[in-house]
Amino acid sequence: KQEVTQIPAALSVPEGENLVLNCSFTDSAIYNLQWFRQDPGKGLTSLLLIQSSQREQTSGRLNASLDKSSGRSTLYIAASQPGDSATYLCAVRKGAGNNRKLIWGLGTSLAVNP
Amino acid sequence: NAGVTQTPKFRVLKTGQSMTLLCAQDMNHEYMYWYRQDPGMGLRLIHYSVGEGTTAKGEVPDGYNVSRLKKQNFLLGLESAAPSQTSVYFCASSYSQVHEQYFGPGTRLTVT
Repeated sequence: KQEVTQIPAALSVPEGENLVLNCSFTDSAIYNLQWFRQDPGKGLTSLLLIQSSQREQTSGRLNASLDKSSGRSTLYIAASQPGDSATYLCAVRKGAGNNRKLIWGLGTSLAVNP
Repeated sequence: NAGVTQTPKFRVLKTGQSMTLLCAQDMNHEYMYWYRQDPGMGLRLIHYSVGEGTTAKGEVPDGYNVSRLKKQNFLLGLESAAPSQTSVYFCASSYSQVHEQYFGPGTRLTVT
């Protein structure tokens, strides 16, 4: 059974630091992997989607990498800002046909301190 | 575009009462989903739909029913609410099952 783990569960950093959030999954046979951001009391916002054939995706200060063979993805945030404070979730998609479901991690709660 | 909207935002029910949560999307997406989010358990899929007139069960469908009469709307019903259904409910939609999912702001439901 596919499991998704995110470590650490919580992270607090000073403003300006570069940081890495980790996501690991037990079954390397994934279709794609998606990183989301969730602000307190709000819905989820998609940040990056990496297909299984890709190694990384970039959007602004965010860079997500994928290593299927080791079952890992990382989300790199450059020059962190207080506005980056949120919970970051990763989800992997596996399965086939109409049965490709997202399997979710529990998230990393990030606090960026001014 | 409003994206994905959900109504209501908050609701308190007594055990045994019924209610319907409404999700609407204006992106012409085929796929729509209902999730619940509980502390320490992450997001769990309740039901989903692959197109107008279709519904399918997710991981935790018991106690819930859904309908997709129009492509833009996906309704989640609780026929007889139980305290175990206290949760935050999220609706999402996507172009296909492998494309990005777009989420609504959530409905916080408390069952007493």
